[in-house]
Amino acid sequence: GQSLEQPSEVTAVEGAIVQINCTYQTSGFYGLSWYQQHDGGAPTFLSYNALDGLEETGRFSSFLSRSDSYGYLLLQELQMKDSASYFCAADNAGNMLTFGGGTRLMVKP
Amino acid sequence: NAGVTQTPKFHILKTGQSMTLQCAQDMNHGYLSWYRQDPGMGLRRIHYSVAAGITDKGEVPDGYNVSRSNTEDFPLRLESAAPSQTSVYFCASSYPTSGAQETQYFGPGTRLLVL
Repeated sequence: GQSLEQPSEVTAVEGAIVQINCTYQTSGFYGLSWYQQHDGGAPTFLSYNALDGLEETGRFSSFLSRSDSYGYLLLQELQMKDSASYFCAADNAGNMLTFGGGTRLMVKP
Repeated sequence: NAGVTQTPKFHILKTGQSMTLQCAQDMNHGYLSWYRQDPGMGLRRIHYSVAAGITDKGEVPDGYNVSRSNTEDFPLRLESAAPSQTSVYFCASSYPTSGAQETQYFGPGTRLLVL
């Protein structure tokens, strides 16, 4: 079956850098997405990696290694507003989209 | 553009009652999905539709029905609600390219409590 593993919780201080890892086991893999969700809110799209390597969007970067079935989201210059849950999602053949269980990031002053 | 809208925001049902959750999008996206999110868990897809007139089952379809009569609307129906269907429901749209779903745009969600 399809499965994605990510840490359940990560804590970091304001201004720091944090990396949220995601490993996946899927078939017909197309790419890996990342979503942010604040408490009580809807998930919002952050990034998508179809090819190996690093994609940078402002303070956020996402990395994919297809050979290792692994990706990560890197958040730099952490701000209090970055406290949220972050989900990786694998885009698979057959119109399948599978989400990981989410990583709750707590940013402390 | 309003994006993806969902109604109602919150609803309480009794076991055995039926209900339809509404989803509408005005971005002319072809791809619509329904997800449920339970505490501490990721999103699990219930049903999806790649175009008007075409629907398919997702990961957890049992107890739910969908229809897609036009591009904009994608209602989710619970015929006989059960407490296990207490959850937050999200509708999401996307504009797939080459069969891949790169960006999902989520609605604000519907919180459903089944007693």
